[in-house]
Amino acid sequence: EAEVAQSPRYKITEKSQAVAFWCDPISGHATLYWYRQILGQGPELLVQFQDESVVDDSQLPKDRFSAERLKGVDSTLKIQPAELGDSAMYLCASSAGQRTGTGELFFGEGSRLTVL
Amino acid sequence: AQSVAQPEDQVNVAEGNPLTVKCTYSVSGNPYLFWYVQYPNRGLQFLLKYITGDNLVKGSYGFEAEFNKSQTSFHLKKPSALVSDSALYFCAVREGDDKIIFGKGTRLHILP
Repeated sequence: EAEVAQSPRYKITEKSQAVAFWCDPISGHATLYWYRQILGQGPELLVQFQDESVVDDSQLPKDRFSAERLKGVDSTLKIQPAELGDSAMYLCASSAGQRTGTGELFFGEGSRLTVL
Repeated sequence: AQSVAQPEDQVNVAEGNPLTVKCTYSVSGNPYLFWYVQYPNRGLQFLLKYITGDNLVKGSYGFEAEFNKSQTSFHLKKPSALVSDSALYFCAVREGDDKIIFGKGTRLHILP
């Protein structure tokens, strides 16, 4: 069964360091999402890609976060410098639709970040 | 803008009893509604969705949900709970091409 791949599963870093997360969506899925999930809360959208283009990054803290999907396939989310409040689970998801509302999201296992 | 609310932080149900996890939503147009489940340190898994048509939607693992337009609700249900159903459940709503908004989640405990 096709899955969304994410790495690393766990990352511990010190504040002010740089950290990067990688996601490979299900083959053929045009839409890719990065969500942040703080413990005890629901996922919050950070950035949404349609192929290689960003369609929504309104909640991405652009002073320290960046995301790219250069060839419209896999994606990288970077934080530099990391802050204590960035400790969270970072979830990648993909869907098959072309900005249609009906498609469900398929999530990866997530990358849990701990900033010390 | 759309929003979704899960009024219960936690729901406790005895094994074998029916369960309900509540969800209400707010959109200006027609909603697309979803339920996801999350096990510890895992990603979210899709359970079911309502797009249009029959108000009772059946999904994975014996779960179903009932869309009620007049009450703007989309409660998740299961006739007979299993201990393995214990997890975190998220309701989500999308309006048109807008982004999906997730609720804060409800932790379901099934007691043996």
